[in-house]
Amino acid sequence: DTGVSQNPRHKITKRGQNVTFRCDPISEHNRLYWYRQTLGQGPEFLTYFQNEAQLEKSRLLSDRFSAERPKGSFSTLEIQRTEQGDSAMYLCASSLSRTVINGYTFGSGTRLTVV
Amino acid sequence: AQKITQTQPGMFVQEKEAVTLDCTYDTSDPSYGLFWYKQPSSGEMIFLIYQGSYDQQNATEGRYSLNFQKARKSANLVISASQLGDSAMYFCAMGVRGGADGLTFGKGTHLIIQP
Repeated sequence: DTGVSQNPRHKITKRGQNVTFRCDPISEHNRLYWYRQTLGQGPEFLTYFQNEAQLEKSRLLSDRFSAERPKGSFSTLEIQRTEQGDSAMYLCASSLSRTVINGYTFGSGTRLTVV
Repeated sequence: AQKITQTQPGMFVQEKEAVTLDCTYDTSDPSYGLFWYKQPSSGEMIFLIYQGSYDQQNATEGRYSLNFQKARKSANLVISASQLGDSAMYFCAMGVRGGADGLTFGKGTHLIIQP
């Protein structure tokens, strides 16, 4: 297991289409986080899971966004009816709940472009 | 709510010189953690160093050290003997309760090391 894996790396979609991103965390990590990073900004927290339970969602996560982690392993982030303002890098991170002192391990992100 | 302020959008530094990246924070929670991440042009977020609010000593990790001044609410990153490979975006972040519920990031500093 070499780290957090995100797919796809890049996604170009037309406005109004639905997109889904996948994140595979480090296998023993029980916490999984989603962040969004727009150009020139730091990452912004979207939501996180402990095992399969979604514990917190940011106000940034509108009704068009949904995230799942069905078996406490990989997670998907779906955006419905995409808008140009959704264009951003979507970062996934994972951690062991009691060892966040060592920081999260981030994936390389999925860059979404809505045209 | 937490807030992170990074006031240096960009910095140019000569190779082998030391560099200090500024970070100030604001929170009403007495227990918090401060993190620094490096983001190269490839996009992944690389954890550098962590400082807990109750830690008595400043954190160090190799060439990285964190100048933690609690009364001033500052957590500056110091990179000694800078290298060309240090050129990247650097983000300061904080989280309460160890950051397990998500981190708040600053806008980042773009560091360019010149030969």
